[in-house]
Amino acid sequence: GAVVSQHPSRVICKSGTSVKIECRSLDFQATTMFWYRQFPKQSLMLMATSNEGSKATYEQGVEKDKFLINHASLTLSTLTVTSAHPEDSSFYICSASRFNYGYTFGSGTRLTVV
Amino acid sequence: RKEVEQDPGPFNVPEGATVAFNCTYSNSASQSFFWYRQDCRKEPKLLMSVYSSGNEDGRFTAQLNRASQYISLLIRDSKLSDSATYLCVVNILGFKTIFGAGTRLFVKA
Repeated sequence: GAVVSQHPSRVICKSGTSVKIECRSLDFQATTMFWYRQFPKQSLMLMATSNEGSKATYEQGVEKDKFLINHASLTLSTLTVTSAHPEDSSFYICSASRFNYGYTFGSGTRLTVV
Repeated sequence: RKEVEQDPGPFNVPEGATVAFNCTYSNSASQSFFWYRQDCRKEPKLLMSVYSSGNEDGRFTAQLNRASQYISLLIRDSKLSDSATYLCVVNILGFKTIFGAGTRLFVKA
């Protein structure tokens, strides 16, 4: 149990375009999901906490207008990187928590902006 | 000071060795603790939760010291397959989860 599916696993986009990443909890309901970003050889950095039915909570320094989060259902949260630039190239990972399973992560999305 | 600190390593150990990692946290409201393992270019995977009384899972032993605000992970009889980055994870009052930067382990034949 406690499977989180994330898509796409890899995306290359042109600078200025927007990219949507989906995170789904497959066998449980997740009222809260988390979005992280990881640059090469660095730790996971929490970007925002996604709450079902309400606005996401963003960490300091994360632009909410650039990283749009929507958590419209108990099993789906999406992260949209708007007007992507090369510096947004990174590994984005979502996670959800379930009692007794700790935090389960999606497989991650490697975004490359060219 | 970082909220969660780990020695980045790398730790280079021979097969069969015992290796220990420590992780310190600064927020006394931290409530739950975990060790995750992350392989290169993959997502982190839960290795084990850390309980106040200490807990063991096969070759892995985790301990928590609330007074000194640190957790530890001990790996006995290291295997080549243990080579990875080990992340210390701290959850604050069930609200915020913070990851350490990770400790890299290389186990050599």
